[in-house]
Amino acid sequence: GAGVSQSPRYKVTKRGQDVTLRCDPISSHATLYWYQQALGQGPEFLTYFNYEAQPDKSGLPSDRFSAERPEGSISTLTIQRTEQRDSAMYRCASSLDRTYEQYFGPGTRLTVT
Amino acid sequence: AQTVTQSQPEMSVQEAETVTLSCTYDTSESNYYLFWYKQPPSRQMILVIRQEAYKQQNATENRFSVNFQKAAKSFSLKISDSQLGDTAMYFCAFMLSGAGSYQLTFGKGTKLSVIP
Repeated sequence: GAGVSQSPRYKVTKRGQDVTLRCDPISSHATLYWYQQALGQGPEFLTYFNYEAQPDKSGLPSDRFSAERPEGSISTLTIQRTEQRDSAMYRCASSLDRTYEQYFGPGTRLTVT
Repeated sequence: AQTVTQSQPEMSVQEAETVTLSCTYDTSESNYYLFWYKQPPSRQMILVIRQEAYKQQNATENRFSVNFQKAAKSFSLKISDSQLGDTAMYFCAFMLSGAGSYQLTFGKGTKLSVIP
């Protein structure tokens, strides 16, 4: 596609529910990143994929967070048993390769009530 | 671990004037990249400029230029002829190269307001 897209743009969920966020990267991009951005802060790294491989999960805050990219294209980020502290903007970025610039999607604003 | 510090939470500048945003970083590595990203009120993240640490020449993109001082670990952004559309949060970011995940480490941002 022309740019990175994410859906939904906004998600409100009740504490304890599971949510799944989707990222559709730029079609030629091998590498895909997930970041979490709290209000008033810069984005923080969660995990990344190189094609379908997920070499680094070090930023995932707990085992309630997981991500997939089964065919090396679209990726999903799932948060199980959501907590209020999970409320944040979740950003996806893609790059041609790991050494290239990362292009960000519009983000998904998650609110856990 | 790498850290990025932006010491100016907020700044303002008159339209058409020049403003400089500061960024310092801490790393023991020698090969890395530095970036400035812009986040306007729409909350998009837009790449403004990129600098490779091995290059001595400062990067320039139209009205945006950087002052990269590797020894001082400083990477400031200069915006010339400021325009109302430059009003945004500006994030400085660091990326290690050569190994690992090439993740971006961001500073906390500087909120820039351009005043008409």
